[in-house]
Amino acid sequence: NAGVTQTPKFQVLKTGQSMTLQCAQDMNHNSMYWYRQDPGMGLRLIYYSASEGTTDKGEVPNGYNVSRLNKREFSLRLESAAPSQTSVYFCASRTSGPGSYEQYFGPGTRLTVT
Amino acid sequence: DQQVKQNSPSLSVQEGRISILNCDYTNSMFDYFLWYKKYPAEGPTFLISISSIKDKNEDGRFTVFLNKSAKHLSLHIVPSQPGDSAVYFCAASDYNTNAGKSTFGDGTTLTVKP
Repeated sequence: NAGVTQTPKFQVLKTGQSMTLQCAQDMNHNSMYWYRQDPGMGLRLIYYSASEGTTDKGEVPNGYNVSRLNKREFSLRLESAAPSQTSVYFCASRTSGPGSYEQYFGPGTRLTVT
Repeated sequence: DQQVKQNSPSLSVQEGRISILNCDYTNSMFDYFLWYKKYPAEGPTFLISISSIKDKNEDGRFTVFLNKSAKHLSLHIVPSQPGDSAVYFCAASDYNTNAGKSTFGDGTTLTVKP
């Protein structure tokens, strides 16, 4: 049981390049989330997927797109990377069962855009 | 406007003493509150939570207190141990309308000195 996995762990991009961050969970969770964390700040929600087949914008969606490929996988795409997108990106998942509200996080992807 | 605030960026305590981490919120619709712990280069991990219908929840050395009238919650760690040194995030959710999304504070870095 690996929990939430993210690839890659580290990435350096040049301004204007594109890339996709991958996230997968093996806990049969319905909801999945993408966050970014900047130094000294909390986690800000980029996009989320309440269930397979649905996605919605979070607090900071500009410059990103997502795909909920299936129940396990939720990817985040940067079409044209900008230095302002330098951050640590975390994927998380949560079951929709009653009484289970905590989110389970992956180890993060550290992205630098030069 | 930040809806969840952790006003103390850092806290230092001696091993064996009590650590108290504070969190304030502004949205009266929040009905579930969580604390996460984060070590460097890892994703956050769930620590403890509390529903708005309760004013206290205890799990071993960790206790969370909720004061709804003051829109304030706190996390008590007794006794504190060096392994508790980490960043602690407070999070709040309005689960009835929000698809399980959480709003995070900026975190408090706890250092427990041996």
